[in-house]
Amino acid sequence: AQSVAQPEDQVNVAEGNPLTVKCTYSVSGNPYLFWYVQYPNRGLQFLLKYITGDNLVKGSYGFEAEFNKSQTSFHLKKPSALVSDSALYFCAVRDGVTGANNLFFGTGTRLTVIP
Amino acid sequence: SQTIHQWPATLVQPVGSPLSLECTVEGTSNPNLYWYRQAAGRGLQLLFYSVGIGQISSEVPQNLSASRPQDRQFILSSKKLLLSDSGFYLCAWRVGSLNTGELFFGEGSRLTVL
Repeated sequence: AQSVAQPEDQVNVAEGNPLTVKCTYSVSGNPYLFWYVQYPNRGLQFLLKYITGDNLVKGSYGFEAEFNKSQTSFHLKKPSALVSDSALYFCAVRDGVTGANNLFFGTGTRLTVIP
Repeated sequence: SQTIHQWPATLVQPVGSPLSLECTVEGTSNPNLYWYRQAAGRGLQLLFYSVGIGQISSEVPQNLSASRPQDRQFILSSKKLLLSDSGFYLCAWRVGSLNTGELFFGEGSRLTVL
């Protein structure tokens, strides 16, 4: 079985400060990990993914994420938060062995960047 | 470039009425297509996916059905809506390979059942 957990419903950070949105996963095979962002009443936008290789993945809008196999985590980070980063963030996982046609999403973390 | 369209964007329907939400993809052929539902602005639930014309897989038993009459068209339907069908419905197609490709989402259709 595959699952993903986002332990924080809400994250608040001051503009200009670094931000981290946490994600942990569980799969039986190799994990393929994704981050998406959703603005109000909009569809999800793809930010970045980890498939293999370098554990630090860089994506859109200055975001990056670090894959940590021993901690089964894939936290989303940005060195300096912008007010426009305020949105709902979703982590997702696909099991490389068994889960070809389903991408399991976390419950989302609402990020608020305070001016 | 590839684009995905969903309509209607917003829909208010009475209980017991039928439903039809449409999704079309442009700029690609034979895409894998997906319908997700997002309840209360949070988690996403996979409802259906399709790997080709007439091929539909259902992930969750429910009051809804899906059809794929053309290569780039995916339709979500119901004969009689329930209050619990309210939600934000998202169509998506998969970019790239089966395991490693990301999903590209439409703008969503918000359904309110009264």
